[in-house]
Amino acid sequence: LAKTTQPISMDSYEGQEVNITCSHNNIATNDYITWYQQFPSQGPRFIIQGYKTKVTNEVASLFIPADRKSSTLSLPRVSLSDTAVYYCLVGSLDSSYKLIFGSGTRLLVRP
Amino acid sequence: SAVISQKPSRDICQRGTSLTIQCQVDSQVTMMFWYRQQPGQSLTLIATANQGSEATYESGFVIDKFPISRPNLTFSTLTVSNMSPEDSSIYLCSVETGGETEAFFGQGTRLTVV
Repeated sequence: LAKTTQPISMDSYEGQEVNITCSHNNIATNDYITWYQQFPSQGPRFIIQGYKTKVTNEVASLFIPADRKSSTLSLPRVSLSDTAVYYCLVGSLDSSYKLIFGSGTRLLVRP
Repeated sequence: SAVISQKPSRDICQRGTSLTIQCQVDSQVTMMFWYRQQPGQSLTLIATANQGSEATYESGFVIDKFPISRPNLTFSTLTVSNMSPEDSSIYLCSVETGGETEAFFGQGTRLTVV
């Protein structure tokens, strides 16, 4: 499974757009890119998943360039409740689907 | 989707004892996994719980220390055996339903070994 690299932490303010970039240079052809969010004392929660170009849902957008060696999770107009750890994962949906977590990015949203 | 119930939610245990953590899912699932999350750290996969057969363990984890059962498609247990303070962690159950692209996680079991 491809290894991912993310910033350890990020700070933002309420109402700003936050972009978290993940590097996955060894991504395989069959790999998808998935982002999870984890609040303290809770299990991770799925945010968004994509294969290429751009994916958008009610929570976030995911931008994937043509070479797929990186991806960017975009959170529009963050609020204090978006303070959490964000994990980028890559893997094939054809596999046993075990998820290998990297270090994640700890996002702190300030008032 | 899947709703996962983990029990207990937390426990404080004496070293040398064992604790069994239960994971109950509200629907039949194809894959069940157990993770460990040490304080301030990311999640580490312990094993895949296979229905009707022995679990598949990741490197660094062994059956004698973390025996796992999965008697059916909705239930699994993880036992942390002969505990030491280094086993103090959050243990999480995760499932994949087969029909969706996301995994679902329980709330976790916070274990403190004293």
